[in-house]
Amino acid sequence: GQNIDQPTEMTATEGAIVQINCTYQTSGFNGLFWYQQHAGEAPTFLSYNVLDGLEEKGRFSSFLSRSKGYSYLLLKELQMKDSASYLCAVNDQAGTALIFGKGTTLSVSS
Amino acid sequence: KAGVTQTPRYLIKTRGQQVTLSCSPISGHRSVSWYQQTPGQGLQFLFEYFSETQRNKGNFPGRFSGRQFSNSRSEMNVSTLELGDSALYLCASSLDEGGREKLFFGSGTQLSVL
Repeated sequence: GQNIDQPTEMTATEGAIVQINCTYQTSGFNGLFWYQQHAGEAPTFLSYNVLDGLEEKGRFSSFLSRSKGYSYLLLKELQMKDSASYLCAVNDQAGTALIFGKGTTLSVSS
Repeated sequence: KAGVTQTPRYLIKTRGQQVTLSCSPISGHRSVSWYQQTPGQGLQFLFEYFSETQRNKGNFPGRFSGRQFSNSRSEMNVSTLELGDSALYLCASSLDEGGREKLFFGSGTQLSVL
């Protein structure tokens, strides 16, 4: 079956680095996405990986290992505004449909 | 450039009723997809439309249906509402059909079924 797993909750302090892991088992693979969702708001795109390796974008980086069915999102120099839910999602078929994990709620404290 | 617009923002219905939700994608986006978000299940894919055709469908009962118009605007309909249909319904649009384009989400319609 289709399954995407990520931790339910994580906590960290301002200025720290946090890594949010995601493992997936899907029938197909066309790429893996990370989205950020603040409470009461719409999800917004953070990153996309389709090839193995690390993609860096400012304070955020995302890594993919297709052979291991594994990805992580790395957040550096954490800020209070980074407190949000982080959603891992896989595109497993033609089209734009995504299978989402249940999300990791990150709480950043001072 | 205007974002994805969903109406209404909030909706309260009773069991057995039906409801229609509306979504206007970003101008130029031809793909529109719908998701249901609940605290217990997270985001679950409902269906995707491209050029007025349903391209993919998730694992939801036939009470959930949708359509897309020639201007790419989309509607989803839920008939014979059940308490478990209470959720945030999110619409997302995308530029093309490659599946590698990021989704732009609307703010959603919060549906409460009493």
